Amino acid sequence: EIVLTQSPGALSLSPGERATLSCRASQSISSGYLAWYQQKPGQAPRVLIYGASTRATGIPDRFSGSGSGTDFTLTISRLEPEDFAVYYCHQYGTSPPYSFGQGTKLEIK
Amino acid sequence: QVQLQESGPGLVKPSETLSLTCTVSGGSISRYYWSWIRQPPGKGLEWIGHISYSGSTTYDPSLKSRVTMSVDTSKNQFSLKLTSVIAADAAVYYCARRSEFGSTSYPGHYYYYMDVWGKGTTVTVSS
Repeated sequence: EIVLTQSPGALSLSPGERATLSCRASQSISSGYLAWYQQKPGQAPRVLIYGASTRATGIPDRFSGSGSGTDFTLTISRLEPEDFAVYYCHQYGTSPPYSFGQGTKLEIK
Repeated sequence: QVQLQESGPGLVKPSETLSLTCTVSGGSISRYYWSWIRQPPGKGLEWIGHISYSGSTTYDPSLKSRVTMSVDTSKNQFSLKLTSVIAADAAVYYCARRSEFGSTSYPGHYYYYMDVWGKGTTVTVSS
């Protein structure tokens, strides 16, 4: 079973700053299997990044994903007020369970 | 565009069966896999399982003994049943579409992500 560990658990930043969120897998996974989701209170998650680095349709280019093997990163280059939310990484690999990370809460400072 | 809508009882008694349906509108259920994900109150996301339009299923091993998914292509719906529910099964339940994209490095190999989600439905477990 692959465990995804996200860090930090919470991050306090101001609009305009850069956010760097980490997702570490307990074993190496193909970057194609890694996606990032954003969830705002009371809403369903929405996909931001799939294949570790491909932005989903309609996602602004301030969001970028990178990484390979066991270490993956979501970067938000310049935070907008609407970016404050919880972010989850997810691996949809070759065998279940297809686990999520525990989430990183991005808060306004 | 494709939209998903979960429906089903919001209250289930302990030891009984949770039954939810997801209706797909604006597109066909065919050619895709369809997932169920849940989120306990104040907690993170948990993948439950998925089903193909042809009925092929994969479940989370920890829930496998209690989960059954089915699909009705004539109604553009797919369903989740979870038996012998306990308090820990209380959650917001989401349905989602699994999309795929091809590997550029390995032709014929595909990767997956969930690109369309329902709004979610809250299930409470209480007598």
